[in-house]
Formats: sequence, C-alpha cells, structure tokens
Amino acid sequence: GAVVSQHPSWVICKSGTSVKIECRSLDFQATTMFWYRQFPKQSLMLMATSNEGSKATYEQGVEKDKFLINHASLTLSTLTVTSAHPEDSSFYICSASSGDTQYFGPGTRLTVL
Amino acid sequence: GENVEQHPSTLSVQEGDSAVIKCTYSDSASNYFPWYKQELGKGPQLIIDIRSNVGEKKDQRIAVTLNKTAKHFSLHITETQPEDSAVYFCAASGGSARQLTFGSGTQLTVLP
Repeated sequence: GAVVSQHPSWVICKSGTSVKIECRSLDFQATTMFWYRQFPKQSLMLMATSNEGSKATYEQGVEKDKFLINHASLTLSTLTVTSAHPEDSSFYICSASSGDTQYFGPGTRLTVL
Repeated sequence: GENVEQHPSTLSVQEGDSAVIKCTYSDSASNYFPWYKQELGKGPQLIIDIRSNVGEKKDQRIAVTLNKTAKHFSLHITETQPEDSAVYFCAASGGSARQLTFGSGTQLTVLP
C-alpha cells in the first residue's frame, strides 16, 4: 500500500520550453501533496505544499509563476516548470500524505539544455 | 522554524556490524519523526517512524529511539547487509501543515 507514482521519470527539454510532471497516489487519497527539489548529494528542499482544490503554498524563494502547481483531485497533482532554463535542471520529487506520513514518488530527473 | 541536524554525513561499516545515525531537532512542538532511505536516482522510502508519545520503536533489524527532553532521535540498524548501503534522511514534523524538515543525510556504506 501507499504507492506514489511520478511521470515522467526523466525528461530532457530545450531552454524556454515548459515541462509538466505528474504525481499520483495510486492506492490512497491524499488531501495534501508536496513538491521537493533535490540537487546532487544534497537534502530535499521543499518547494510547495499543495492541498486538493486550493492554491498551493510556496516556500520562500520559490517563484510561483515559474513552478505552477495544480492539485485537481485527491490522487493527482501536477508541477509545470514554465520557460525552463538550465539552472532548473534538478531531481524533482513529490510526496503524498496520509495523516502525518509522507510517501514519496520515484522522482523526475529534469535536464534543460 | 524547525531545524534538523544529522550526523555523521558518511558512515562505513563492515557487513554484520551495527550502524547508528543521530539527529537533533530544535522545535519542541515537533511530534513526528520519520526516517527515509534513498537509493541513487530514486525517491526516498519510508523505513520507520516514531511519534512523540513513544520512546522506542523496532522493526526487525531497524530501530528508532527518541529523547524528547534532549530533542534528539537516532536510527539503529543491526546486522547490516550490503543492500543497506544508501543515503538515510531523518525528518521532523509538527503543526497543522505537516511539513517535514529534513536532515542533511547520511551516506551509509556497508562493506562486504
């Protein structure tokens, strides 16, 4: 139980294009989903907290117009990186919460050329 | 806000030995403390968690202890195996937002 999927697992795109990443809780309903960013050999950095049916709450320093988050249902949240640039290249990981516990997806490796 | 410190940053042990990773937290309101294992290129996997009303929890070779007074908690892995090699993260959570604050991670290497 408590499986979270992400799609795609990796994506390569050209600078200036937009990329959408999907996060799904497969066997439970998640009122809250979280989006993280992780650079090599570093810890997870929380980008935003997403509650179903409401606007996401972004952490300080995260541009809400650049990282668009939609949480339209209890099992799906999407992160769109708009006008991506090479500095946006990173490992993006979502999690879905069941009570206190967060279950993480497998991550999406984004490379912007 | 919450601050979680984790030590050591790297840990090498011989197969069969025990490994201990320690974390301290700053916010006395934190009440949930999970541990995650992350293998290279994958998302973190929850391996064990503990809540503030419990001092110790064990699951087979893995145990976690919590000292609320000192605000620290530890992960203990016994009889380590090569497949235990990974990065381990501690985290702390409290409050209605249920956000996790992560430690900096420990690269555990189990030598065969």
